[in-house]
Amino acid sequence: SQTIHQWPATLVQPVGSPLSLECTVEGTSNPNLYWYRQAAGRGLQLLFYSVGIGQISSEVPQNLSASRPQDRQFILSSKKLLLSDSGFYLCAREEGAKNIQYFGAGTRLSVL
Amino acid sequence: GESVGLHLPTLSVQEGDNSIINCAYSNSASDYFIWYKQESGKGPQFIIDIRSNMDKRQGQRVTVLLNKTVKHLSLQIAATQPGDSAVYFCAENPDYKLSFGAGTTVTVRA
Repeated sequence: SQTIHQWPATLVQPVGSPLSLECTVEGTSNPNLYWYRQAAGRGLQLLFYSVGIGQISSEVPQNLSASRPQDRQFILSSKKLLLSDSGFYLCAREEGAKNIQYFGAGTRLSVL
Repeated sequence: GESVGLHLPTLSVQEGDNSIINCAYSNSASDYFIWYKQESGKGPQFIIDIRSNMDKRQGQRVTVLLNKTVKHLSLQIAATQPGDSAVYFCAENPDYKLSFGAGTTVTVRA
């Protein structure tokens, strides 16, 4: 199976501090990668997706940015966190012709 | 906003009974649907998928039904077990991006 690594698992950050969440994947090259945010008791909101190195598409204008410096590395960043950035952040990769997305274990971010 | 929704936010099921989780979608262009299971504190896990040229697909203890006429999707879990307690999401794929509903929380009673 293809493996998705996300870290850290949990993170507590003060308002105004920077953020860097990393996702690395194993397996086939040039995967489509995705960042989602999930608020408590809610569904998944697509934040960014990438179809290749340096190619980032933003779905929602916000306080976050994403980068893909390597084929299997996808990074979610912020220069200054807001309280509203709290949530469960999930990285996913798309596999095969069926567009099935497989998810990492997620990072629980609390901004205080 | 979300184009995929669910009829009920919670479902309580007796262990051993069958579970039926419903989902309504709004995008007629969607041709691919996926059900995910998310346990507390974990990422969503793929359960089963179905293409719009099918109306039924079966997996291990799960069956997905698709009614394109009324834009309705359901997930049936046979002989529900305690390990089936989780939040279940349906997702549609009108293009290459998945759109998720808010989820149904399934609680299995012993």
